[in-house]
Amino acid sequence: AQSVTQLGSHVSVSEGALVLLRCNYSSSVPPYLFWYVQYPNQGLQLLLKYTSAATLVKGINGFEAEFKKSETSFHLTKPSAHMSDAAEYFCAVSKQGAQKLVFGQGTRLTINP
Amino acid sequence: EAGVTQFPSHSVIEKGQTVTLRCDPISGHDNLYWYRRVMGKEIKFLLHFVKESKQDESGMPNNRFLAERTGGTYSTLKVQPAELEDSGVYFCASSPTGDTIYFGEGSWLTVV
Repeated sequence: AQSVTQLGSHVSVSEGALVLLRCNYSSSVPPYLFWYVQYPNQGLQLLLKYTSAATLVKGINGFEAEFKKSETSFHLTKPSAHMSDAAEYFCAVSKQGAQKLVFGQGTRLTINP
Repeated sequence: EAGVTQFPSHSVIEKGQTVTLRCDPISGHDNLYWYRRVMGKEIKFLLHFVKESKQDESGMPNNRFLAERTGGTYSTLKVQPAELEDSGVYFCASSPTGDTIYFGEGSWLTVV
C-alpha cells in the first residue's frame, strides 16, 4: 500500500523567506508524486508532478520539488515566499499508470508580513 | 476551456435526508474521479469512472453512497440517507489519461 506523510500541519514563514514543505512517501513500486495547492475558497490546483523523468521538478509560481529515492522524500520549496502563497498544500502519490491518488494530511502555509 | 465543474458548491441538509452532488468533467476526459475530505482528515479517494464504467470503487465508504455516470459525461454522487459523519468536502476530478488529474472546486456538504 502507498502512503504519504507531510511533516507539519501548519508552517509559518516570513515574506521573502525560504518555503520548505516536507513530504515523505511509502510505495512498493516506483511512484508518481504530486503537489497540489488549495487557495482559500478554491479547488485543488496542480503545482507540479514527478513521473520518473528529471528528479528536480519545477512547477508553477516559482515552486520546485526534488525526488530523492534514497530518502523517500519529495519536499516542496520556493526560494522567496510571497503573501499570495498562503494556502494549504497537499502531497500525493500514485502508482505509475494507476489512477488513484493517495494524499497526505495537508500543510497550511501562513506568510507573515 | 472550462474546468471541472461541481454543483452545488455548498449544501446543508438534515440527517436522514438525501443529497445529490453533480460533476461535469473537462470535455473529452474519459476518466472521472470522486474524492472526499472529512473535516480534519486527509483527502481520500472514493471511486473512478472510465467513461460510464466504474473502474475502481474501493473507496466508497458504504452502500449509502451511489455514484453514476450515465452516457460517460457528467456524474452524480448520491448520499442516501445522509449521516453526520458524511459532512465534508467532496471533490470531483477528471483526466484524459490518468497522468495528470484536474480537480474541481469541491462541494461542501454539512449534515446537521
